[in-house]
Amino acid sequence: DIQMTQSPSSLSASEGDRVTITCQASQDISNDLNWYQQKPGKPPKLLIYDASNLETGVPSRFSGSGSGTDFTFTISSLQPEDIATYYCQQYDYLPLTFGGGTKVEIE
Amino acid sequence: EVQLVQSGGGLVQPGGSRRLSCQASGLTVSSYWMHWVRQAPGKGLVWVSRINSDGSSTNYADSVKGRFTISRDNAKDTLYLQMNSLRAEDTAVYFCAREYYNDYGEFRLDHWGHGTLVIVSS
Repeated sequence: DIQMTQSPSSLSASEGDRVTITCQASQDISNDLNWYQQKPGKPPKLLIYDASNLETGVPSRFSGSGSGTDFTFTISSLQPEDIATYYCQQYDYLPLTFGGGTKVEIE
Repeated sequence: EVQLVQSGGGLVQPGGSRRLSCQASGLTVSSYWMHWVRQAPGKGLVWVSRINSDGSSTNYADSVKGRFTISRDNAKDTLYLQMNSLRAEDTAVYFCAREYYNDYGEFRLDHWGHGTLVIVSS
């Protein structure tokens, strides 16, 4: 199975801060990576697909980059409504695997 | 409203069975692969299973293979997960999700159900 290592596991930042989350795959997955946002008691919501493509309707402050084994997810200016846990997910091979999640809080 | 409506969760004893359902409303699922993903309390997301559009091809995580069966009834726009020989470690919120995949190789789980909680305990 492809292991997805996400870091940090949690972070606290101020409103307006730039927030960066990294995800590392245990093998080359090209750009076969998505990012999801999950708020408590809710299902995941797709934000970024194919490593860097913004899903329709998602604010432009969210972005993704990377390929191969190393990927980055960025919130350019953290907003209160961005408080959530974020997950990366690879789809290069079955089983689909997710990173462990990054819980984002506001200071 | 576009949604996947889930049902079937609840408390079940170890070794017991449960069938989860996921019915589409306001969106098409009959021509899409569908997935089940679970999340143990306070934990991360774990992929469980997937099924192709006509039900002829399925895949499972090793942890559920031989115990869980995914199926679908396209006439009812409904996806199922039959769970047998349940264990305490199967306790989780189970989400259904629609897979979007295009000719460019772009894959994503673009619509998710609200989740249904299964608790395996005596």
